[in-house]
Amino acid sequence: QKEVEQDPGPLSVPEGAIVSLNCTYSNSAFQYFMWYRQYSRKGPELLMYTYSSGNKEDGRFTAQVDKSSKYISLFIRDSQPSDSATYLCAMSPPGRRALTFGSGTRLQVQP
Amino acid sequence: GAVVSQHPSWVICKSGTSVKIECRSLDFQATTMFWYRQFPKQSLMLMATSNEGSKATYEQGVEKDKFLINHASLTLSTLTVTSAHPEDSSFYICSPLAGGGTDTQYFGPGTRLTVL
Repeated sequence: QKEVEQDPGPLSVPEGAIVSLNCTYSNSAFQYFMWYRQYSRKGPELLMYTYSSGNKEDGRFTAQVDKSSKYISLFIRDSQPSDSATYLCAMSPPGRRALTFGSGTRLQVQP
Repeated sequence: GAVVSQHPSWVICKSGTSVKIECRSLDFQATTMFWYRQFPKQSLMLMATSNEGSKATYEQGVEKDKFLINHASLTLSTLTVTSAHPEDSSFYICSPLAGGGTDTQYFGPGTRLTVL
């Protein structure tokens, strides 16, 4: 079993839809949670960072962490075609700064 | 966000040759450098961790004699793939980490290696 599970998609939505992306994990030591966006043949771009449980909002993006369920989510409101990319969740425990990544979910926002 | 550069962005080489990939942190000093590898349609997998001036620590299954890492300065790290083979074809991405308790991690744009 992988430490971090993420549905690979693809997830296709119409422009303006609310997108929900999720990851589950098994390592209860994870405390830092991140979401990255990766365009084809590019490096990951940091979107959201959260520590421990709770919500964090930044513009159209909201990240949620539920440590009791070992479940994290990223919501994208008013999705745009430019949001079409692969979204990677990543996490790490305290003291270990290297990240464990999910496999990524490919999102397609149709105009 | 932090500016990280990688060079080259893509490289094609013959089997048996060595390829050097450079990673630079342009606006901060990286005390730690992570090197990841990403195969097509797969996620990033950590290969090794290096601290400036120290030997790199490699993840299980990554050959340290094949993937040579040099982290000689706080702004430059290099990954050399020695005697490359087609199965080494992948997307290599560096991630420098600043000191001082910074929590966020940034990534380079990646280097696509194709070994013929």
